[in-house]
Amino acid sequence: EVQLVESGGGLVQPGGSLRLSCAASGFTFNNYWMTWVRQAPGKGPEWVANVKQDGSAKYYLDSVKDRFIISRDNAQSSLFLQMNSLRAEDTGRYYCVRDTYFGSGSYYADHWGQGTLVTVSS
Amino acid sequence: EIVLTQSPATLSLSPGESATLSCRASQSVGSSLAWYQQKPGQTPRLLIYDASNRATGVPARFSGSGSGTDFTLTISSLEPEDFAVYYCHQRSQWPLPFGPGTKVDFK
Repeated sequence: EVQLVESGGGLVQPGGSLRLSCAASGFTFNNYWMTWVRQAPGKGPEWVANVKQDGSAKYYLDSVKDRFIISRDNAQSSLFLQMNSLRAEDTGRYYCVRDTYFGSGSYYADHWGQGTLVTVSS
Repeated sequence: EIVLTQSPATLSLSPGESATLSCRASQSVGSSLAWYQQKPGQTPRLLIYDASNRATGVPARFSGSGSGTDFTLTISSLEPEDFAVYYCHQRSQWPLPFGPGTKVDFK
């Protein structure tokens, strides 16, 4: 069974930092692109960043570029999100998501963790 | 950057009726579009990928169509468990936005 377990969220002041972690199990981690998606209270999901299987390619939402860094440790089947210079608008639940290739040229998010809550407030 | 819009924002229907949800992209995404269903307190569930392919375990009453910039999710006969929020999501080029969602609620 695919399991994605996030940790590291919490309350942080504007300008502060947090490091989110995701422990993956139940699948061969290094075969999959991995993604972070966030969801503010009462809002829709927002794609934040993703990383290729070997970590050689990373992509970011424009508003987090230069502040967030996505990384992975395939030996530990773990995904990370280093978040710096946090803003109030970064508040939300952050989900670790597995992207699956369905054989058609595109990857799609098919398994989600339960998320970790990040609150940026003074 | 591609922007997705969804219409209507809310669709009020009764069980047994059909639902037609629209997603429009600001530029072509080919067929690289997915639909997700989200219920309160749950994570999004993948329903449709590549615009028209049902994900594993998704009932046949859900169907997707379209390509380029205009896409449709149809629910042929609403079951009580289908009342939820539906999001489209493009996978054609980074960044990879979701649409703002369509809420299907009880009339």
